[in-house]
Amino acid sequence: TQLLEQSPQFLSIQEGENLTVYCNSSSVFSSLQWYRQEPGEGPVLLVTVVTGGEVKKLKRLTFQFGDARKDSSLHITAAQPGDTGLYLCATRYNNNDMRFGAGTRLTVKP
Amino acid sequence: DTAVSQTPKYLVTQMGNDKSIKCEQNLGHDTMYWYKQDSKKFLKIMFSYNNKELIINETVPNRFSPKSPDKAHLNLHINSLELGDSAVYFCAVGDSNTGELFFGEGSRLTVL
Repeated sequence: TQLLEQSPQFLSIQEGENLTVYCNSSSVFSSLQWYRQEPGEGPVLLVTVVTGGEVKKLKRLTFQFGDARKDSSLHITAAQPGDTGLYLCATRYNNNDMRFGAGTRLTVKP
Repeated sequence: DTAVSQTPKYLVTQMGNDKSIKCEQNLGHDTMYWYKQDSKKFLKIMFSYNNKELIINETVPNRFSPKSPDKAHLNLHINSLELGDSAVYFCAVGDSNTGELFFGEGSRLTVL
């Protein structure tokens, strides 16, 4: 059983559609991060959420941390082909141990 | 200047060989990691070093040996390579203040 469960595993949509991806756990976290990884590159941090119920916006991306700090969602409005990539959630498990979910592979078709 | 650089970017080798991947960072942070990303894109932590000291050693075969000659470098040496070692290996550097990880571009290892 993984620490962080992400869903869906794959998502293919048309340009202009909205979408939401999820990151869930049975554990409570002090913070949670979202990364995006494009082909041939390493993951890049998008946002860190730390407070239960917190909502952060990054242009067309909206991140929410669950009230109980066990889950998080990422909503993309009017998706564009440039949003295509692997979206990973991550959290600090122990002091220096950053654990990742299995990711959601998003494809946005023109 | 690339913040986290890995070499080589691609590595193709035969089973049973020994190979090394190097990682260098110029961010000045103390914590460095090696992650393995398999064909299903799952990113699994292998090792964590803090200020040249091994902190985390996940369930990794002892054929894998990390070495940190100084705070800016964390190398990964792999002995007796097996087919299952084929993956992309990522070096990452952690900012202890923000928690952000900065990743290298990855080293794609293919074992034939």
